[in-house]
Amino acid sequence: QLQLQESGPGLVKPSETLSLTCSVSGGSISSSSYYWGWIRQPPGKGLEWIGSIHYSGSTYYNPSLKSRVTISVDTSKNQFSLKLSSMTAADTAVYSCALSSKYSSGPNCFDPWGQGTLVTVSS
Amino acid sequence: DIQMTQSPSTLSASVGDSVTITCRASQSISSWLAWYQQKPGKAPKLLIYKASTLESGVPSRFSGSGSGTEFTLTISSLQPDDFATYCCQHYSGFSITFGQGTRLEIK
Repeated sequence: QLQLQESGPGLVKPSETLSLTCSVSGGSISSSSYYWGWIRQPPGKGLEWIGSIHYSGSTYYNPSLKSRVTISVDTSKNQFSLKLSSMTAADTAVYSCALSSKYSSGPNCFDPWGQGTLVTVSS
Repeated sequence: DIQMTQSPSTLSASVGDSVTITCRASQSISSWLAWYQQKPGKAPKLLIYKASTLESGVPSRFSGSGSGTEFTLTISSLQPDDFATYCCQHYSGFSITFGQGTRLEIK
């Protein structure tokens, strides 16, 4: 059964760049039908899609975050990563990685998800 | 961008009740809609996709309907484990947006 696990710092300073990695186990990140996504949830608020990537390198970003986001994939390590620049307190959230596999035409609904990791932006 | 608006934001009900949550899209999304259940400190669980397709393993008391701009999630005969937050998500045109969530609480 496919499992995802996020890793990265829990504390980031304002203006710095957040780097998170999602490790995939129980399956290959290189399946042509899979899209790998990052989603975040600020404390007490709703879910926000950050972006998704296909193993081929095709990326899809939330327009509101696009200028600050880079998502990449490392097929040799079965991992994909998120970089979010110019972090502010408003970026404090639980960041989760997840798989879209219901359709092969683009990012879609997410299942399964990683457990999520809380990232706090503070000096 | 397509906006997703859920109502109500909070819903109080009792075990055995039937409840309906609504999700409205700011423009037509055909049937490209999913519903999730989320419990505190846990990852969201996919319940329904393509508006009305039940995910494998999800109890049949959960059902979804709608197309275009208006969608509903119905939970019949509420069980204690169903009290959670429910969220809709659209996925179309290489874009994804979530609703703000509906908290289902015990009356």
